[in-house]
Amino acid sequence: DAKTTQPTSMDCAEGRAANLPCNHSTISGNEYVYWYRQIHSQGPQYIIHGLKNNETNEMASLIITEDRKSSTLILPHATLRDTAVYYCIVRVDPVISGYSTLTFGKGTMLLVSP
Amino acid sequence: GAVVSQHPSWVICKSGTSVKIECRSLDFQATTMFWYRQFPKQSLMLMATSNEGSKATYEQGVEKDKFLINHASLTLSTLTVTSAHPEDSSFYICSATGLAGYNEQFFGPGTRLTVL
Repeated sequence: DAKTTQPTSMDCAEGRAANLPCNHSTISGNEYVYWYRQIHSQGPQYIIHGLKNNETNEMASLIITEDRKSSTLILPHATLRDTAVYYCIVRVDPVISGYSTLTFGKGTMLLVSP
Repeated sequence: GAVVSQHPSWVICKSGTSVKIECRSLDFQATTMFWYRQFPKQSLMLMATSNEGSKATYEQGVEKDKFLINHASLTLSTLTVTSAHPEDSSFYICSATGLAGYNEQFFGPGTRLTVL
């Protein structure tokens, strides 16, 4: 699976949009971009994933650049409960590959402040 | 979404004793379960992958005789830390993935193990 690079930490004011970047310049054509987050002392939570089109769900939006070498996770109206470590992970769709291993990097610590 | 539970949520034990951690998929059948370990201020590290009814596959550097994994049913996997030592103190997290069609893992809330 391709390697990802994320900033170590970011700050965001409550109510503002949080934009979390991720670089994955070695991504392959059949690899998806996944985002998980981990609130302190809890298990990771799935947020969103995408291949090449922008995706949106009730939690967030995922913007993937046309060359697919980077992406941005957008939390449109950050709340204090969004304070967490956000992990960007690239992997082949397990439905296709037959396996489902996730490799976690260091992620981005997002601190949402009042 | 799918729910995965872990029991206990935290445990304190004496050095040399064994500790069992349970991971259950509550509303779906988990064909594959994963066990991760997370030390303070570090990321999750995959320890092993288990498929129901077969032996677990351990990651390099993880001692299979120390971390016994059993995946006897489609809803339950257990991790037993045998002869625990203080360096085994960590946050242990399981995840599960279901039948074809699921392409994300569902994580449990984690178990905090402290070995005295």
